[in-house]
Amino acid sequence: QQPVQSPQAVILREGEDAVINCSSSKALYSVHWYRQKHGEAPVFLMILLKGGEQKGHDKISASFNEKKQQSSLYLTASQLSYSGTYFCGTEYNNNDMRFGAGTRLTVKP
Amino acid sequence: DTAVSQTPKYLVTQMGNDKSIKCEQNLGHDTMYWYKQDSKKFLKIMFSYNNKELIINETVPNRFSPKSPDKAHLNLHINSLELGDSAVYFCASSSQGARFEAFFGQGTRLTVV
Repeated sequence: QQPVQSPQAVILREGEDAVINCSSSKALYSVHWYRQKHGEAPVFLMILLKGGEQKGHDKISASFNEKKQQSSLYLTASQLSYSGTYFCGTEYNNNDMRFGAGTRLTVKP
Repeated sequence: DTAVSQTPKYLVTQMGNDKSIKCEQNLGHDTMYWYKQDSKKFLKIMFSYNNKELIINETVPNRFSPKSPDKAHLNLHINSLELGDSAVYFCASSSQGARFEAFFGQGTRLTVV
């Protein structure tokens, strides 16, 4: 039931852009995005709700295609601080949030 | 004040022992979760509670037993620990289920030797 994320890993130079994708085989109520730095807990970035509402980070954008059950996270003009593992979390029913396998993003100077 | 706190942060124990991990949230949330993160960083849901009621119980061995004495606490007790239980366990909470952001605890690194 967990979503599928791609790519598994990305290496960027500072200032470059990246897109991380998340797809589900089941209908979704919402998609969450989190970033986890090494040795730390995941931290919330954004929620995209069915119907188009978005809540979250003002420097990171995302899209949610309800029909295709897909979401993409757009990281533009990446900074060193963007490095970490990005997880999408998908909500199928209330109180049930499942995470993808994560995308490891490395930003180099 | 820490929003979601877990104790202990590190736990090293021998196979066969029984151990507990405690989780408390002071955010007034009504939903709490336990996730297991293995060495491959995969975050797998184990349990979900809403207002002290068990909502999700994934295919987790029955050696794992969650207990929610009240809305602010969700503890995890593990019996007869096995080597494969070694992982980082995260507690999380959210308001009104998964339509609101989840706040994670710092994690408990469990090592079974």
